[in-house]
Amino acid sequence: DAGVIQSPRHEVTEMGQEVTLRCKPISGHDYLFWYRQTMMRGLELLIYFNNNVPIDDSGMPEDRFSAKMPNASFSTLKIQPSEPRDSAVYFCASGVVPLAANVLTFGAGSRLTVL
Amino acid sequence: DAKTTQPNSMESNEEEPVHLPCNHSTISGTDYIHWYRQLPSQGPEYVIHGLTSNVNNRMASLAIAEDRKSSTLILHRATLRDAAVYYCILSNAGGTSYGKLTFGQGTILTVHP
Repeated sequence: DAGVIQSPRHEVTEMGQEVTLRCKPISGHDYLFWYRQTMMRGLELLIYFNNNVPIDDSGMPEDRFSAKMPNASFSTLKIQPSEPRDSAVYFCASGVVPLAANVLTFGAGSRLTVL
Repeated sequence: DAKTTQPNSMESNEEEPVHLPCNHSTISGTDYIHWYRQLPSQGPEYVIHGLTSNVNNRMASLAIAEDRKSSTLILHRATLRDAAVYYCILSNAGGTSYGKLTFGQGTILTVHP
């Protein structure tokens, strides 16, 4: 298995531009999570999906952020318009969550720099 | 959500055992204890998890206190590759937080040659 695949790995853009980050979860995983990591705030959960349906988006910072999961094999996180404070590493993770535990596999991350 | 407390940093020597502590005094009966680690410039990776009993896997051991208010991640022989940030996380197996993992600041482990 190729693991969780994120693209792009690096993105540099200018303030005001639209940014779209992409994630392909592991086949068969029914949960998908988007996290953001900065030095100041650490790893923050933005939103997560179960069977393509958003379950909890309370971590999405503001209306400029949106996430979709049109099917079981693809999700996007969009920022429009982007701002310098959105600069961070964005991680996607997927997992199968039986009652026993939450075991997630993370992607390598997308490093976003907004100038 | 129940919270965890970990030391900010710890140091170890290569090939020695490492005991990483975690306090979770407000843990509920249905909270699972998870450990993830994050190597430099990588995404977090799963290490181990448990509920009440001690657990062992190829990466580490998890020792859970009898009252479950604390736990310890044990790396039996630290290697340089084990230098990472280690996160202790509680997750609830039910309710509205089902499936949700909230990361704290973690413990930065430094391994000396």
